[in-house]
Amino acid sequence: DTGVSQDPRHKITKRGQNVTFRCDPISEHNRLYWYRQTLGQGPEFLTYFQNEAQLEKSRLLSDRFSAERPKGSFSTLEIQRTEQGDSAMYLCASSLMTGGFSYNEQFFGPGTRLTVL
Amino acid sequence: AQKITQTQPGMFVQEKEAVTLDCTYDTSDPSYGLFWYKQPSSGEMIFLIYQGSYDQQNATEGRYSLNFQKARKSANLVISASQLGDSAMYFCAMRGINFGNEKLTFGTGTRLTIIP
Repeated sequence: DTGVSQDPRHKITKRGQNVTFRCDPISEHNRLYWYRQTLGQGPEFLTYFQNEAQLEKSRLLSDRFSAERPKGSFSTLEIQRTEQGDSAMYLCASSLMTGGFSYNEQFFGPGTRLTVL
Repeated sequence: AQKITQTQPGMFVQEKEAVTLDCTYDTSDPSYGLFWYKQPSSGEMIFLIYQGSYDQQNATEGRYSLNFQKARKSANLVISASQLGDSAMYFCAMRGINFGNEKLTFGTGTRLTIIP
């Protein structure tokens, strides 16, 4: 399977603990996006990368959140000192940006469901 | 800023009937793209169809078609001959198409249930 993969699929943690999620995009895709989806809502943008460069961060991404894409391939999203409000589905997506114009749709992974107790 | 509005929280449709899911949008971008995604209970977002703001014709993909009315800022999804497997959440989304403006903005979704 050559789609977007995410690990773990589910994570239960206690408030105050740190958690890290991993996303492996489609291999030739240079763009990688992180979204967060809370219950009953659509996904909300968190941040995205062009290769290894982080190009934009949402205001939703507080100082407790950090994302990296060290070699322009997989990405990690870390949440420090988790809070109950961090409970959500964290979705990763990738796309191919060519030139200065992007039609290409974003392909999503299965998500990581985080529960903070 | 971009905004997507989906006013139908839930819909029930008889199998084999056609269904229209509503979506209106607001943006100040001169060029943009509109998307529909399906999210089954497994959680993965599945791309269904895309419409560019500059496209003259409505997009179609198999049983899916997008009824794009630019002046009314609407981008409704039409599913023909619905099937039981179509039961899922459906999200309308939009983004810019120029460099640095590609993050997706989603609506709140419509839960579609197909009745046998």
